Amino acid sequence: AQRVTQPEKLLSVFKGAPVELKCNYSYSGSPELFWYVQYSRQRLQLLLRHISRESIKGFTADLNKGETSFHLKKPFAQEEDSAMYYCAPNTGGFKTIFGAGTRLFVKA
Amino acid sequence: DAGVIQSPRHEVTEMGQEVTLRCKPISGHDYLFWYRQTMMRGLELLIYFNNNVPIDDSGMPEDRFSAKMPNASFSTLKIQPSEPRDSAVYFCASSLAGARNSPLHFGNGTRLTVT
Repeated sequence: AQRVTQPEKLLSVFKGAPVELKCNYSYSGSPELFWYVQYSRQRLQLLLRHISRESIKGFTADLNKGETSFHLKKPFAQEEDSAMYYCAPNTGGFKTIFGAGTRLFVKA
Repeated sequence: DAGVIQSPRHEVTEMGQEVTLRCKPISGHDYLFWYRQTMMRGLELLIYFNNNVPIDDSGMPEDRFSAKMPNASFSTLKIQPSEPRDSAVYFCASSLAGARNSPLHFGNGTRLTVT
């Protein structure tokens, strides 16, 4: 069965500390992988996508096909990074399934 | 472009009443998705359309839920009759076909409370 797992519901770190939000997926084939973010009182929005190999707001995500993981990382967390983060594989047919989400809280 | 537009932003209704949520996708986008967000279950895909045609409605919880897309610029999600457990934030999203790496563009959501 297709499944995406974000094991941490809540992640709390201090400002300036590294942060890693975990995502593991279980799919047949090769899904396209995305991270979405939802800041307080704002709509869900794309943070980054694997195919672009980009770094957005200091975040990067590495695809590990062997471990079927797509963890989101940032070396130095900022208070404005506090938000809800969703890992989202896009399977064939443009169907995007979201993980349960991880709430990141960056403390001053 | 104003982005994906959803209405209403908030809806409070009594159990048993009919609820209709509305969505206007981004012009030119040919995929439209309805999601439901709750604390317990996170974001669940309810149904999605391609070129106004429903492709996958396997996420629709039960027959009380129905969705339509009469044209490329409008979709509705209807709950009849509504129940307290339907209380959630309902998001509409659209995307452009052509590549699987096309991201979703979300609306602001409709917060539904059924008392």
